[in-house]
Order: sequence, then C-alpha cells, then structure tokens
Amino acid sequence: KQEVTQIPAALSVPEGENLVLNCSFTDSAIYNLQWFRQDPGKGLTSLLLIQSSQREQTSGRLNASLDKSSGRSTLYIAASQPGDSATYLCAVHHYGQNFVFGPGTRLSVLP
Amino acid sequence: DAMVIQNPRYQVTQFGKPVTLSCSQTLNHNVMYWYQQKSSQAPKLLFHYYDKDFNNEADTPDNFQSRRPNTSFCFLDIRSPGLGDAAMYLCATRSGQGTYEQYFGPGTRLTVT
Repeated sequence: KQEVTQIPAALSVPEGENLVLNCSFTDSAIYNLQWFRQDPGKGLTSLLLIQSSQREQTSGRLNASLDKSSGRSTLYIAASQPGDSATYLCAVHHYGQNFVFGPGTRLSVLP
Repeated sequence: DAMVIQNPRYQVTQFGKPVTLSCSQTLNHNVMYWYQQKSSQAPKLLFHYYDKDFNNEADTPDNFQSRRPNTSFCFLDIRSPGLGDAAMYLCATRSGQGTYEQYFGPGTRLTVT
C-alpha cells in the first residue's frame, strides 16, 4: 500500500529565502506526481505535474524534481514571498489507481 | 474561466437532516472524484466515477451516496449528517487520457449543528 509523507510538517521562513519542501513515497512504481497549493478554507490549486519519465518541471519560481528510484520529490521555491504562505501537498498516482496524498507542509513566509 | 464549480461554498445543516452538495465541470473530463478533508489532514477519497462507472472506497460510510446524471454534474448526498461529518468536501476531475492531471473545485465547507 502506497504511503506518502511530507517533511517538514510546518516551516516558517523570512521573505526572500529559497526553500525546499520534501515528499517521500514508499512504492516507486508511480505514473505521475502532482504538487498542489491550498490556501486556508479553499480548494487545491495544481502547481506542477511530473510524469514518471521526467526528472523535473518548472513554473516561474517553482521547480519540482522527481527521483523515482529513491521515492522522493522536492518542491523548490525561489525568492519566497508572503503570498507563498499556504499548505503544500503532494499526491502520487499509480496507473489505473487513485491518487494518494501526503499530509502537507504548512509554509509561512514572514515579511 | 471556472473549470470545476462547487455549490454551495458553505452549507450549514442540522444533525440528521439530509444535505446535497453539487459539483459541475466545464472540462468534459471522464473522471470525477469526491474527497472529504478535515482540518490539517490530507484529502480522503470517498468515491469516484469513471464515466458512469461508480467506485466506492471500502471505508466510505453508507451515509454517503453519490449521483452522476451526466458528464458535467456530480452530487454528494449525506443522508443523515452527524457531527463527525463536518468537513471540507472537495470535488476534482481528470481526463481519462493524457497527463491525468487533477483539477479541484473550491470546496464546500459543511457545518453540522
């Protein structure tokens, strides 16, 4: 059974710092991995999707990497801003099965 | 350009009074999901549809039902809400081919009094 963990559970950084959020999964036979952002009381917003054949994806200040063999993905946020404060969740997908979510990392970027 | 729409955004119901939450999508996606999310927890899958094929998660209580009358709409019915059913309910969709990227709606916050 796939298990997804995210470390740290919470992170507080000053504005302008570069930071890395981690996502680990136990079954490496994934089809893809998706990173989401969730603001308090809101739905999930898709940030990046990495297919199993890809090593990384970039969107603006965000870069997500995938190392299937070690069961890890990282989300790199460059030059963090207070508007980046949110909970970040990763979800892994096996072909023909449903998504399995991690518990999330709650990020606070202090002005 | 709303793609996944959920109504209402906030719903208050009384203990034991049936409630229906709705989800619609403009993406023409085959697959629709209903998740329950409680505070500071990961979304928990309740059930999903692949076209009209309904798939219930093994641990989804019988109190929860769903209907998908057409591709665009999906409903979540809670027959007798308990206090423990207070949560955010999230609808999501994805295509049955291609990247399999999930798209979420804004959620419905359910309060049970």
